[in-house]
Amino acid sequence: QVHLVQSGADVKKPGSSVKVSCEASKSSFTSYGFSWVRQAPGQGLEWMGGFIPVYKNVKYSQKFQGRLTITADTSTNTVYMDLSSLTSEDTAVYYCAKDASATGDGSFLGWFESWGQGTLVTVSS
Amino acid sequence: DIQMTQFPSSLSASVGDTVTITCRTSQGIGTSLNWYHQRPGQAPRFLIYSASSLQSGVPSRFSGSRSGTDFTLTISGLQPEDFGTYYCQQSFGMPLTFGQGTRLEIK
Repeated sequence: QVHLVQSGADVKKPGSSVKVSCEASKSSFTSYGFSWVRQAPGQGLEWMGGFIPVYKNVKYSQKFQGRLTITADTSTNTVYMDLSSLTSEDTAVYYCAKDASATGDGSFLGWFESWGQGTLVTVSS
Repeated sequence: DIQMTQFPSSLSASVGDTVTITCRTSQGIGTSLNWYHQRPGQAPRFLIYSASSLQSGVPSRFSGSRSGTDFTLTISGLQPEDFGTYYCQQSFGMPLTFGQGTRLEIK
C-alpha cells in the first residue's frame, strides 16, 4: 500500500492562498489518480478534485472551480493542492487520497485505498 | 450531482450486535458505491468497494449489499474498535460525493 505524507498545519488570512503537499512513497504514482478531500470541523467528507499525473487529467468539483489548482511533481512523487481566495468556510482538514488502482485509460477509479494523515488549514484574521 | 442520503445519522449498539447502515443514491449508479470508516482524529479507512467487495485486510464481519439505489453496510458481531463514523461514497460520476455519515457509538 502506498504511504502518503502531507505537509503540516497552516494558518492563513482571509483572501490569501494555501498550498498543501502530499508525497507518495512509490515511484509508480504517476499512473494513479490522486484526489483531495476536505472535512470541515465536525462535518463530513467533501471531494474537491483530482489529478492523474501521467495523463495530466485534472477534474475539479464545480464548487471550487476557479480557485482550486491541483498539480504534481513527478520527480518527487508529490501532489499539490492550491486553494485561493480563502474564507473562514475553508477552515478544514484537507486529505489527499489515492485511487486503489490505475485504470490505465486516464480515467479516475474514484475509490480511495490510501489516505494522507490530513492537514489542518485554519483561516482566521 | 449525485446526492447520497445516509441513515441513520447515528446509532448506539453493544459489542456482538449486528448493525446496518443504509445509503440511498439520487439516481442509479450500478454498483459504484464504496464505504469508509473514520475514527475521531484519524483519516478515513477504506472498507468496501463496488458495493460488496471487501478491501484486503478488512475483517469479514463487514459486508455490503445493493438493492436498486439502496446500499447497505452490515457489521456482524460488533467489536469495540468499530466505533466512529461510516461514510458511503459514489464513484459513478463526477463530482464524487459522500453521504453525510453515520456515527456509531458502542454501548
